[in-house]
Amino acid sequence: NAGVTQTPKFRILKIGQSMTLQCTQDMNHNYMYWYRQDPGMGLKLIYYSVGAGITDKGEVPNGYNVSRSTTEDFPLRLELAAPSQTSVYFCASRGQGAVNYGYTFGSGTRLTVV
Amino acid sequence: KQEVTQIPAALSVPEGENLVLNCSFTDSAIYNLQWFRQDPGKGLTSLLLIQSSQREQTSGRLNASLDKSSGRSTLYIAASQPGDSATYLCAVPMDSSYKLIFGSGTRLLVRP
Repeated sequence: NAGVTQTPKFRILKIGQSMTLQCTQDMNHNYMYWYRQDPGMGLKLIYYSVGAGITDKGEVPNGYNVSRSTTEDFPLRLELAAPSQTSVYFCASRGQGAVNYGYTFGSGTRLTVV
Repeated sequence: KQEVTQIPAALSVPEGENLVLNCSFTDSAIYNLQWFRQDPGKGLTSLLLIQSSQREQTSGRLNASLDKSSGRSTLYIAASQPGDSATYLCAVPMDSSYKLIFGSGTRLLVRP
């Protein structure tokens, strides 16, 4: 199925542990984004990429890292998990061109840090 | 700095009602505005995208309008159904890289 695939769907981490949230899209979109959503809030941008090999910080990048070695994949790395990183994480992609401005979102990864 | 606000935060209506969700933004220099639907525990589904040059977009029972000069958009849902129950989010791109700034959403409950 075409779209954005995120794994895992759920994860519990202990404080100080590390993990990588995986994101893959098969639509050949250049733009990819990572957002986090805290309860009752809108989404905030963590990192984004405008193409393979190019990444940049968003609004809340502290405690995270990303890489973009291929067009398809955009993993998000948490190095030292903290309770403040408990959230739902969404990956999204967007194509180029006038008809492709809309976003496609993955189903999210629910992360709890204890 | 662009800020996006959605009012009301929650709305409960009986089935069959027509309803309006509101979205306001502080900087009128936007590329477009997008409305999303989010079901509990799920990701976001794009409903409508209005380009800055457009006044409205329609998809089935949904109609979104955009008034850049006043910094407002509305999502009109006609003949609401229980299946419309979800959280509705609006978002505008921050710049040409289309990083989105989201409102905090309106949680809609349509009662049978």
